Amino acid sequence: DTAVSQTPKYLVTQMGNDKSIKCEQNLGHDTMYWYKQDSKKFLKIMFSYNNKELIINETVPNRFSPKSPDKAHLNLHINSLELGDSAVYFCASSHRDRVTDTQYFGPGTRLTVL
Amino acid sequence: GQQVMQIPQYQHVQEGEDFTTYCNSSTTLSNIQWYKQRPGGHPVFLIQLVKSGEVKKQKRLTFQFGEAKKNSSLHITATQTTDVGTYFCAGLTGNQFYFGTGTSLTVIP
Repeated sequence: DTAVSQTPKYLVTQMGNDKSIKCEQNLGHDTMYWYKQDSKKFLKIMFSYNNKELIINETVPNRFSPKSPDKAHLNLHINSLELGDSAVYFCASSHRDRVTDTQYFGPGTRLTVL
Repeated sequence: GQQVMQIPQYQHVQEGEDFTTYCNSSTTLSNIQWYKQRPGGHPVFLIQLVKSGEVKKQKRLTFQFGEAKKNSSLHITATQTTDVGTYFCAGLTGNQFYFGTGTSLTVIP
């Protein structure tokens, strides 16, 4: 019954590898997001998808690519991982055409790059 | 670019003391939301404020939106150990939410 789920919960990998994080929401929301939270707890939005269209892309390296096979999924693929990519990555979803536009966050994926 | 700053970054209080975190935006916001993230957890929505000067209460929590819609505050009365966590504001400008830098609250029993 989890509203927003992410896999894996933990990811430990070597520099230079390529990895993916999966996200699924069962809330019927039309917009999904990826956030990066660093060790100082700063939450930085990376991407958002609305009806399979990218509508926000902050200053994120092009090694990061979001892929949305359908409205309920937004996966994050990372190429050539670097030490600085180590962080907790949160997926979130919301209903953008509602006044409240509350974002529901997944449990997070802790990525460690060695 | 758009920035949303929160102060203080960290706050330690004795259980029973009050706590306030302030959120300031460099631009006018359409609305502002507040989230709480428990240690090891994920951000959870608390409340949204839309109108200039709006004040909302949730039990011991009081939220305010500034008259100019560029700042907001969260005040907790008589903190409890369950209040521990990081509190984020998130302001909406255009079609994008900008999260504040967060305030981490520690409550000493």
